[in-house]
Amino acid sequence: EIVMTQSPATLSVSPGERATLSCRASQSIGDNLAWYQQKPGQAPRLLIYGASTRATGIPARFSGSGSGTEFTLTISSLQSEDFAEYYCQQCNHWPAYTFGQGTRLEIK
Amino acid sequence: EVQLVQSGPEVKKPGSTVKISCKVSGDTFSDDYIHWIQEAPGKGLEWMGLVDFEDGETVYAEKLQGRLTIIADTSTNTAYVELSSLRSEDTAVYYCATGATFFDYWGQGTPVTVSS
Repeated sequence: EIVMTQSPATLSVSPGERATLSCRASQSIGDNLAWYQQKPGQAPRLLIYGASTRATGIPARFSGSGSGTEFTLTISSLQSEDFAEYYCQQCNHWPAYTFGQGTRLEIK
Repeated sequence: EVQLVQSGPEVKKPGSTVKISCKVSGDTFSDDYIHWIQEAPGKGLEWMGLVDFEDGETVYAEKLQGRLTIIADTSTNTAYVELSSLRSEDTAVYYCATGATFFDYWGQGTPVTVSS
């Protein structure tokens, strides 16, 4: 099983500032990585797939990068609605997809 | 756009079985897979299994083999997940989602509580 490790567990950032979230895979997954945003009481929402492609309707302030084992989600200028839980998911080892444990992005 | 609507909350006794539905509507989804994902309190997201709507083929997570059944009813565009021999650790929100590799559309989630 591919283990996905996200860091940090909690990130405190002020509105308008940049947030950088990390995700590491226990083995190379190419660019087969997705990012999701989840708010309390809601289903996850797809943000990024293919490591760097924004899903439909996702604002340009969200960007993804990385390949192999190291990945980053960057939110360039945090808006109030961006404070949420974020998960990465490897899409390489079909169909036993695994998620990271999540990063909670909170208001500083 | 694809919409997935799940059945309502469930409260079950240990040892019993829960069955949750996920009705798919809207634009035809091209990949024809429906996945089930568990979100247990404080434990993040865990993939459970999938069904291929085209041929009914299923794949299950190894840890749930023997307790999990996923079926697709193509006549009603509804997928079902059935989890048996419930225990307290199965208390969670269960989501259905579409996608081949990543999950682009999700149901609203079905909370399941297992308690005596």
